[in-house]
Amino acid sequence: QKEVEQDPGPLSVPEGAIVSLNCTYSNSAFQYFMWYRQYSRKGPELLMYTYSSGNKEDGRFTAQVDKSSKYISLFIRDSQPSDSATYLCAINYGGATNKLIFGTGTLLAVQP
Amino acid sequence: DSGVTQTPKHLITATGQRVTLRCSPRSGDLSVYWYQQSLDQGLQFLIQYYNGEERAKGNILERFSAQQFPDLHSELNLSSLELGDSALYFCASSVGVANTQYFGPGTRLTVL
Repeated sequence: QKEVEQDPGPLSVPEGAIVSLNCTYSNSAFQYFMWYRQYSRKGPELLMYTYSSGNKEDGRFTAQVDKSSKYISLFIRDSQPSDSATYLCAINYGGATNKLIFGTGTLLAVQP
Repeated sequence: DSGVTQTPKHLITATGQRVTLRCSPRSGDLSVYWYQQSLDQGLQFLIQYYNGEERAKGNILERFSAQQFPDLHSELNLSSLELGDSALYFCASSVGVANTQYFGPGTRLTVL
């Protein structure tokens, strides 16, 4: 079983739609949860970082963590064509081992 | 721009050869991480250095090695290259050992 599972998509939505991206993880010891955005052939860019269950909002982006279900989500409101990218969830244990474990990424296309 | 720089951007070489990838972390960051991104494996953690010392190892092949120098830049050495080593190699940096990681633009390695 992979430590992090992510629906690879691709996901195509019209401009203005609400997008929901999801990951599940297997180990309850994971403490930190991140979402990265990666444009084609570019480096991953950190979007959201959270360490507790609940919601965290930043502009049009909301990260949601449910530790009891081992489920993390990223919601994008009023999606724009510029949001078209691959979205990667990442988790780690924290502490001395800071290696990130990534999901496979979901390719999102927002159609104008 | 994350502040992490990587050189070269592209590298084309032949099987059996050796290459060196270079990374300069963000100003003030002491930790450097190396990741490999391939189509079949996704983004995988290779190795972490903190202030010149190896901190954590992931799925790094014995043919690969890395180091972090006193000025904090890091190099990833790949030797006896195989076709399967073709991938994007990313460097990331963070302030400490358990902080948010910021990724560089990557080096695209093609082994022919």
